[in-house]
Amino acid sequence: RKEVEQDPGPFNVPEGATVAFNCTYSNSASQSFFWYRQDCRKEPKLLMSVYSSGNEDGRFTAQLNRASQYISLLIRDSKLSDSATYLCVVNGGTGFQKLVFGTGTRLLVSP
Amino acid sequence: NAGVTQTPKFRVLKTGQSMTLLCAQDMNHEYMYWYRQDPGMGLRLIHYSVGEGTTAKGEVPDGYNVSRLKKQNFLLGLESAAPSQTSVYFCASSLVADSNEKLFFGSGTQLSVL
Repeated sequence: RKEVEQDPGPFNVPEGATVAFNCTYSNSASQSFFWYRQDCRKEPKLLMSVYSSGNEDGRFTAQLNRASQYISLLIRDSKLSDSATYLCVVNGGTGFQKLVFGTGTRLLVSP
Repeated sequence: NAGVTQTPKFRVLKTGQSMTLLCAQDMNHEYMYWYRQDPGMGLRLIHYSVGEGTTAKGEVPDGYNVSRLKKQNFLLGLESAAPSQTSVYFCASSLVADSNEKLFFGSGTQLSVL
Protein backbone atom coordinates (compact mmCIF):
# COMPACT_ATOMS: atom_id res chain seq x y z
CA ARG A 1 0.00 0.00 0.00
CA LYS A 2 1.32 3.42 -0.91
CA GLU A 3 1.98 5.79 1.97
CA VAL A 4 -0.20 8.45 0.37
CA GLU A 5 -2.88 7.61 -2.17
CA GLN A 6 -4.91 9.89 -4.36
CA ASP A 7 -7.38 9.36 -7.17
CA PRO A 8 -5.46 10.61 -10.22
CA GLY A 9 -8.64 11.84 -11.94
CA PRO A 10 -9.09 13.83 -14.02
CA PHE A 11 -12.09 15.39 -12.39
CA ASN A 12 -13.96 17.29 -15.09
CA VAL A 13 -16.33 19.90 -13.65
CA PRO A 14 -18.10 22.97 -15.04
CA GLU A 15 -17.41 26.43 -13.73
CA GLY A 16 -19.27 27.11 -10.53
CA ALA A 17 -19.38 23.50 -9.44
CA THR A 18 -18.26 22.16 -6.10
CA VAL A 19 -15.68 19.40 -6.21
CA ALA A 20 -14.00 17.37 -3.50
CA PHE A 21 -10.87 15.24 -3.44
CA ASN A 22 -9.81 12.73 -0.85
CA CYS A 23 -6.38 11.50 0.02
CA THR A 24 -5.63 8.51 2.25
CA TYR A 25 -2.43 7.97 4.19
CA SER A 26 -1.08 4.84 5.80
CA ASN A 27 1.16 6.16 8.57
CA SER A 28 -1.02 6.66 11.62
CA ALA A 29 1.81 8.61 13.27
CA SER A 30 1.62 11.37 10.65
CA GLN A 31 1.33 14.78 12.21
CA SER A 32 1.24 17.34 9.42
CA PHE A 33 -0.82 17.47 6.27
CA PHE A 34 -0.85 19.78 3.30
CA TRP A 35 -2.39 20.40 -0.07
CA TYR A 36 -0.10 21.70 -2.79
CA ARG A 37 -1.20 22.91 -6.20
CA GLN A 38 0.84 22.16 -9.30
CA ASP A 39 0.08 23.69 -12.67
CA CYS A 40 1.14 21.85 -15.80
CA ARG A 41 4.93 21.81 -16.13
CA LYS A 42 5.29 24.13 -13.14
CA GLU A 43 6.54 23.77 -9.60
CA PRO A 44 4.28 22.79 -6.70
CA LYS A 45 3.01 25.63 -4.54
CA LEU A 46 1.50 25.36 -1.09
CA LEU A 47 -2.25 25.75 -1.23
CA MET A 48 -3.06 25.18 2.40
CA SER A 49 -2.15 23.28 5.50
CA VAL A 50 -4.65 20.89 7.01
CA TYR A 51 -5.30 21.16 10.71
CA SER A 52 -7.17 18.82 13.01
CA SER A 53 -9.91 21.40 13.30
CA GLY A 54 -10.11 21.86 9.55
CA ASN A 55 -8.98 24.83 7.55
CA GLU A 56 -10.85 27.19 5.25
CA ASP A 57 -9.39 29.73 2.87
CA GLY A 58 -11.94 31.43 0.69
CA ARG A 59 -13.44 28.83 -1.62
CA PHE A 60 -11.14 26.09 -0.36
CA THR A 61 -11.78 23.91 2.67
CA ALA A 62 -9.48 21.19 3.94
CA GLN A 63 -10.46 18.56 6.47
CA LEU A 64 -8.59 15.87 8.37
CA ASN A 65 -10.09 12.59 9.51
CA ARG A 66 -7.54 10.86 11.71
CA ALA A 67 -9.76 7.90 12.53
CA SER A 68 -10.08 6.95 8.88
CA GLN A 69 -6.69 8.37 7.93
CA TYR A 70 -7.69 10.65 5.13
CA ILE A 71 -7.67 14.32 4.29
CA SER A 72 -9.98 16.08 1.94
CA LEU A 73 -10.03 19.22 -0.16
CA LEU A 74 -13.28 20.90 -1.10
CA ILE A 75 -13.39 23.58 -3.77
CA ARG A 76 -16.56 25.62 -4.05
CA ASP A 77 -17.61 27.75 -7.01
CA SER A 78 -14.87 26.33 -9.24
CA LYS A 79 -13.04 28.74 -11.54
CA LEU A 80 -11.26 28.02 -14.78
CA SER A 81 -8.06 29.03 -13.00
CA ASP A 82 -8.53 26.17 -10.51
CA SER A 83 -7.57 23.71 -13.25
CA ALA A 84 -4.40 22.09 -11.94
CA THR A 85 -3.10 19.02 -10.19
CA TYR A 86 -3.60 18.94 -6.43
CA LEU A 87 -0.95 17.13 -4.44
CA CYS A 88 -1.63 15.65 -1.06
CA VAL A 89 1.42 15.83 1.19
CA VAL A 90 1.85 14.10 4.51
CA ASN A 91 4.66 14.46 7.01
CA GLY A 92 5.42 11.28 8.93
CA GLY A 93 7.91 12.91 11.27
CA THR A 94 9.74 16.11 11.96
CA GLY A 95 11.45 17.92 9.14
CA PHE A 96 10.76 18.14 5.47
CA GLN A 97 12.85 15.06 4.77
CA LYS A 98 9.90 13.08 6.08
CA LEU A 99 7.42 14.55 3.62
CA VAL A 100 5.58 12.05 1.42
CA PHE A 101 3.94 13.41 -1.71
CA GLY A 102 0.92 11.88 -3.35
CA THR A 103 0.81 11.49 -7.10
CA GLY A 104 -1.81 14.19 -7.40
CA THR A 105 -5.41 14.59 -8.51
CA ARG A 106 -5.96 16.43 -11.74
CA LEU A 107 -8.83 18.91 -11.92
CA LEU A 108 -10.16 20.33 -15.17
CA VAL A 109 -12.71 23.13 -14.92
CA SER A 110 -14.55 23.88 -18.15
CA PRO A 111 -16.63 26.91 -19.19
CA ASN B 1 12.03 38.58 -5.94
CA ALA B 2 13.88 35.61 -7.41
CA GLY B 3 13.13 33.06 -4.68
CA VAL B 4 14.50 29.69 -5.81
CA THR B 5 16.20 29.57 -9.19
CA GLN B 6 17.18 26.41 -11.01
CA THR B 7 19.45 26.09 -14.00
CA PRO B 8 19.25 24.73 -16.61
CA LYS B 9 15.53 24.40 -17.35
CA PHE B 10 16.02 21.68 -19.94
CA ARG B 11 18.84 19.29 -20.74
CA VAL B 12 19.36 16.25 -22.89
CA LEU B 13 22.21 13.90 -22.03
CA LYS B 14 23.59 10.74 -23.50
CA THR B 15 24.03 7.73 -21.25
CA GLY B 16 27.28 8.04 -19.34
CA GLN B 17 27.56 11.81 -19.57
CA SER B 18 27.80 13.95 -16.48
CA MET B 19 26.15 17.20 -15.53
CA THR B 20 25.42 19.48 -12.61
CA LEU B 21 22.13 21.13 -11.78
CA LEU B 22 22.37 24.37 -9.89
CA CYS B 23 19.88 25.62 -7.35
CA ALA B 24 20.17 29.09 -5.88
CA GLN B 25 17.97 30.77 -3.30
CA ASP B 26 18.07 34.35 -2.12
CA MET B 27 15.85 33.99 0.96
CA ASN B 28 18.63 33.06 3.39
CA HIS B 29 17.04 29.66 3.93
CA GLU B 30 18.94 27.08 5.93
CA TYR B 31 17.35 24.00 4.40
CA MET B 32 17.53 22.95 0.78
CA TYR B 33 16.26 19.86 -1.01
CA TRP B 34 16.42 18.10 -4.35
CA TYR B 35 13.38 16.13 -5.52
CA ARG B 36 12.58 14.22 -8.66
CA GLN B 37 9.11 13.85 -10.11
CA ASP B 38 8.18 10.96 -12.37
CA PRO B 39 4.84 10.10 -14.01
CA GLY B 40 2.60 8.14 -11.71
CA MET B 41 4.80 8.83 -8.70
CA GLY B 42 4.88 11.57 -6.16
CA LEU B 43 7.89 13.79 -5.66
CA ARG B 44 10.73 11.82 -4.13
CA LEU B 45 13.55 13.28 -2.10
CA ILE B 46 17.01 12.69 -3.53
CA HIS B 47 19.27 14.58 -1.12
CA TYR B 48 18.87 17.44 1.27
CA SER B 49 20.95 19.88 3.28
CA VAL B 50 20.30 21.38 6.68
CA GLY B 51 22.91 24.08 6.32
CA GLU B 52 26.07 25.22 4.58
CA GLY B 53 28.58 22.41 4.32
CA THR B 54 26.09 19.66 5.19
CA THR B 55 24.30 17.12 3.01
CA ALA B 56 22.24 14.02 3.67
CA LYS B 57 20.63 11.24 1.65
CA GLY B 58 16.97 11.18 0.95
CA GLU B 59 14.77 8.42 -0.36
CA VAL B 60 16.44 7.91 -3.77
CA PRO B 61 20.08 9.07 -3.57
CA ASP B 62 21.78 6.47 -5.76
CA GLY B 63 23.47 7.88 -8.85
CA TYR B 64 23.48 11.45 -7.51
CA ASN B 65 25.86 13.58 -5.50
CA VAL B 66 25.30 16.98 -3.95
CA SER B 67 27.27 19.83 -2.48
CA ARG B 68 26.38 22.87 -0.39
CA LEU B 69 29.53 24.95 -0.31
CA LYS B 70 27.60 28.19 0.03
CA LYS B 71 24.39 28.67 1.95
CA GLN B 72 22.54 30.00 -1.05
CA ASN B 73 23.54 27.24 -3.49
CA PHE B 74 22.76 23.54 -3.62
CA LEU B 75 24.24 21.55 -6.50
CA LEU B 76 23.02 18.20 -7.77
CA GLY B 77 25.46 16.15 -9.80
CA LEU B 78 25.01 13.17 -12.06
CA GLU B 79 28.39 11.54 -12.61
CA SER B 80 27.29 8.98 -15.19
CA ALA B 81 23.76 9.59 -16.39
CA ALA B 82 21.41 6.67 -16.97
CA PRO B 83 18.05 6.57 -18.78
CA SER B 84 16.40 5.86 -15.40
CA GLN B 85 17.40 9.37 -14.38
CA THR B 86 15.14 10.91 -16.99
CA SER B 87 12.84 12.99 -14.85
CA VAL B 88 11.80 16.45 -13.77
CA TYR B 89 14.01 17.72 -10.97
CA PHE B 90 12.84 20.27 -8.44
CA CYS B 91 14.92 22.11 -5.93
CA ALA B 92 13.24 23.47 -2.82
CA SER B 93 14.17 25.44 0.24
CA SER B 94 12.73 26.27 3.62
CA LEU B 95 13.72 28.60 6.41
CA VAL B 96 13.56 25.87 9.00
CA ALA B 97 12.68 22.19 9.04
CA ASP B 98 9.45 22.80 10.90
CA SER B 99 6.82 20.79 9.10
CA ASN B 100 4.44 23.72 9.26
CA GLU B 101 6.87 25.96 7.43
CA LYS B 102 6.34 26.56 3.74
CA LEU B 103 8.46 24.83 1.11
CA PHE B 104 9.55 27.05 -1.79
CA PHE B 105 10.20 25.25 -5.05
CA GLY B 106 12.23 26.20 -8.07
CA SER B 107 10.64 26.00 -11.50
CA GLY B 108 12.14 22.62 -12.32
CA THR B 109 14.63 21.04 -14.70
CA GLN B 110 13.43 18.64 -17.38
CA LEU B 111 16.23 16.12 -17.91
CA SER B 112 16.21 13.48 -20.62
CA VAL B 113 18.88 10.80 -20.75
CA LEU B 114 19.08 8.95 -24.04
